[in-house]
This record gives sequence, C-alpha cells and structure tokens, in this order.
Amino acid sequence: DQQVKQNSPSLSVQEGRISILNCDYTNSMFDYFLWYKKYPAEGPTFLISISSIKDKNEDGRFTVFLNKSAKHLSLHIVPSQPGDSAVYFCAAFPGSGTYKYIFGTGTRLKVLA
Amino acid sequence: EAQVTQNPRYLITVTGKKLTVTCSQNMNHEYMSWYRQDPGLGLRQIYYSMNVEVTDKGDVPEGYKVSRKEKRNFPLILESPSPNQTSLYFCASSKQPNTEAFFGQGTRLTVV
Repeated sequence: DQQVKQNSPSLSVQEGRISILNCDYTNSMFDYFLWYKKYPAEGPTFLISISSIKDKNEDGRFTVFLNKSAKHLSLHIVPSQPGDSAVYFCAAFPGSGTYKYIFGTGTRLKVLA
Repeated sequence: EAQVTQNPRYLITVTGKKLTVTCSQNMNHEYMSWYRQDPGLGLRQIYYSMNVEVTDKGDVPEGYKVSRKEKRNFPLILESPSPNQTSLYFCASSKQPNTEAFFGQGTRLTVV
C-alpha cells in the first residue's frame, strides 16, 4: 500500500516556465513533508520542507504548497532551468508513534532549453 | 566537509555470500537510515536508527540486518544475499528524523 504517491512518472517543461510536481498521501497523521532532488549516479539532496501546520513554504525559486484537506502537496519551481532536470521525490514523516520515513516513487523532470 | 560515506560504490556477489555495506557520517547526526531504490518503486526504507544501539525496521527489512555501535557508523549487513536484493542502496543521516537528510553516493549491488 503506497502511502505517498507521485502519479506522474515524468514531466517536461520549457526553460523559464513553471514546473509543478505533485504528491498525494493517504495518512492524515503525517507531520512533516520534504522534497528531494536526485541526479543520476548521486544520492538525493534535500530541497525544501513543510510542516503540517503550514500551507506554504518558499525558498528562492522553490515553493511547496500543502493542502491538508485534499492530502496533497505540490512543488513549484519558477522559473525552471535546465539544471533542474532530475528526479524529484516527495517524502513524508509520520511524527508520533513511528520514526519511519516514507518516500514517493519519484517524478522525472526534464527542463527543455 | 559534511558528508555521508558509503562503501563500496559497486559490488557484485553470489547468492548466499555474506556482505556488509558500510556507512559513516561526520555530522554527529542522531538519525541514520538505509534505503533501496528500485525502478518504479522509489526509495524504500529498510532500517533506521534513532541513536546508538537503537534501531528499528523500515518498510522492507526482510533479509537485512543493521547495527549502531557508534554514532557515526551504521553498516548494512546481508547475511545471505539473494538476487531479489539486487538494487541501489543509499545510506542517509539527519539531525532529527524530520529534518534535512544527507545521503551517501549510493552502492549498486548485484547478486547473481
């Protein structure tokens, strides 16, 4: 049972435009959400996070939105750059009761120059 | 430089031959974990550790063991590897479970 889902395996966006990556989750008890970026032959690197008590967090070109009622979060990248081409994973941390980390299946973003 | 170091980067082994993948971090982090990455399945947590001598199962612990005798090291042990454990493995550490995790470069394991 996939508790964190990224339903789009891939996404192509023109350079300079907005990239929107989506993530859905099933467990309303998730306490914290994080986004990671992964280039080939490298480990994932942290991008941005959001606590469940917030609905938006911004860091430069990256903004994460959390819609708790819909159990949905999204990562916006504006403007998109060719160097943003990578696989993006969302991750959820349940908070109380367990210290497991749950990742989505990833979305491959390609930014076209 | 803050880093998580995994060794080896690549390993080909035969079914049933015990192996250990080492992981070391230099950031004095409390939380460490192991993941495997498989096509279409994303990253799945194998084991995690909240601190020295405190470990617990992730989502896919079968066939794996870990230990945390020192804060900086968190080795992954495959006592009797099988072909379905062929995968890309990542070690990660973070100050707390819900904070930014730092990942190693990965270990590509092939079991034949």
